[in-house]
Amino acid sequence: SAVISQKPSRDICQRGTSLTIQCQVDSQVTMMFWYRQQPGQSLTLIATANQGSEATYESGFVIDKFPISRPNLTFSTLTVSNMSPEDSSIYLCSGNRANTEAFFGQGTRLTVV
Amino acid sequence: GNSVTQMEGPVTLSEEAFLTINCTYTATGYPSLFWYVQYPGEGLQLLLKATKADDKGSNKGFEATYRKETTSFHLEKGSVQVSDSAVYFCAPALGGGGNKLTFGTGTQLKVEL
Repeated sequence: SAVISQKPSRDICQRGTSLTIQCQVDSQVTMMFWYRQQPGQSLTLIATANQGSEATYESGFVIDKFPISRPNLTFSTLTVSNMSPEDSSIYLCSGNRANTEAFFGQGTRLTVV
Repeated sequence: GNSVTQMEGPVTLSEEAFLTINCTYTATGYPSLFWYVQYPGEGLQLLLKATKADDKGSNKGFEATYRKETTSFHLEKGSVQVSDSAVYFCAPALGGGGNKLTFGTGTQLKVEL
């Protein structure tokens, strides 16, 4: 299985600020994704993190709000910008090798106050 | 478009009862199919998978069979335990060339003595 390390594990942030979440995967992962899990809800895909280029965003998510970087194969960051209480969620990074199962980090539990 | 429909919860069962959680999907082609489990306070873990028609995925006493005729991937366990209490997510790979997961709503299972 792949190893996915995500940090921070949790944070409490003031509205209007930004938080950057880091995700480190092992070298066998080729694809990386970012998901959001709102309280009591399922997971929703935010974007595909593309190595060395702009991320591919799903409907309803935009780069200005959720800028994503992936400077190399094994590292990616997601920034939640200009936060509001509605952004309080668990944010998860996942990685998989092509056409195999996805592995997930432990998630970042974000609370915006 | 592609979508997944999962049985709503919560489901409460007595220990040793039989469990079925229904999952159906709509897709073009034959996507790989996954069940993930989220235990209380923990991250998302792969429970089982099936990658082609008639495949049966199994793990920890859970089983699910890839039924292309009915586009279903129902999760079953013959005798549940208290330790199976968790949220279960059906997640077919409906996009991204078979790499992007679409998560069902999740089914919360509570097993009582």
